[in-house]
Amino acid sequence: DIQMTQSPSSLSASVGDRVTITCRASQSISSYLNWYQQKPGKAPKLLIYGASSLQSGVPSRFSGSESGTDFTLTINSLQPEDFATYYCQQTYTTPRTFGQGTKVEIK
Amino acid sequence: QVQLQQWGAGLLKPSETLSLTCAVYGGSFSGYYWSWIRQPPGKGLEWIGEINHGGNTYYNPSLKSRATVSVDTSKNQFSLRLTSVTAADAAVYYCARRCAGGDCYRPLDPWGQGTLVTVSS
Repeated sequence: DIQMTQSPSSLSASVGDRVTITCRASQSISSYLNWYQQKPGKAPKLLIYGASSLQSGVPSRFSGSESGTDFTLTINSLQPEDFATYYCQQTYTTPRTFGQGTKVEIK
Repeated sequence: QVQLQQWGAGLLKPSETLSLTCAVYGGSFSGYYWSWIRQPPGKGLEWIGEINHGGNTYYNPSLKSRATVSVDTSKNQFSLRLTSVTAADAAVYYCARRCAGGDCYRPLDPWGQGTLVTVSS
């Protein structure tokens, strides 16, 4: 299985901060990397697909990038509604594994 | 706008079979893969498996062949069966759609609302 190592597991940030979350794949996955946001009691919501494409309707303060097997989700100017848990997922091959999640909390 | 609505038994005893169904409203059923994902309480997401309208399936080997995903194209529904459940199978189960085809990065969108499954004797 491809292992997805996400870091950090949690972080504290303030409204207006820039936040960066990293996901590292254990082997090459091309650009088959997606990012989701999950709020308590809700289903995950797709933010970024193909490593860097913004899903329709998602605010432009969210962006994704890649460098080899390292992938980054950046949130520019964190808003109150962005406090949530974020997951990466590789869809290059099966099983389609997720990172362990990053909880973004209010400082 | 495509919506996924799921249902199924929420309380099972150990060794029983989990059965969940997901209905697709407002969009095409063909041309996509239909997926199941689960999330134990307070933990991360685990991909279970997926199926297309033709019945082609992929599964997570970690479930050791206990999982079966099936499709009913006449009703635009797909289902999950998981046999011999234990406490480790207690989770919120989600259904979701992912695109197919060469230009698709296979993201999961949209998702169903989730079904909490509890396993207790």
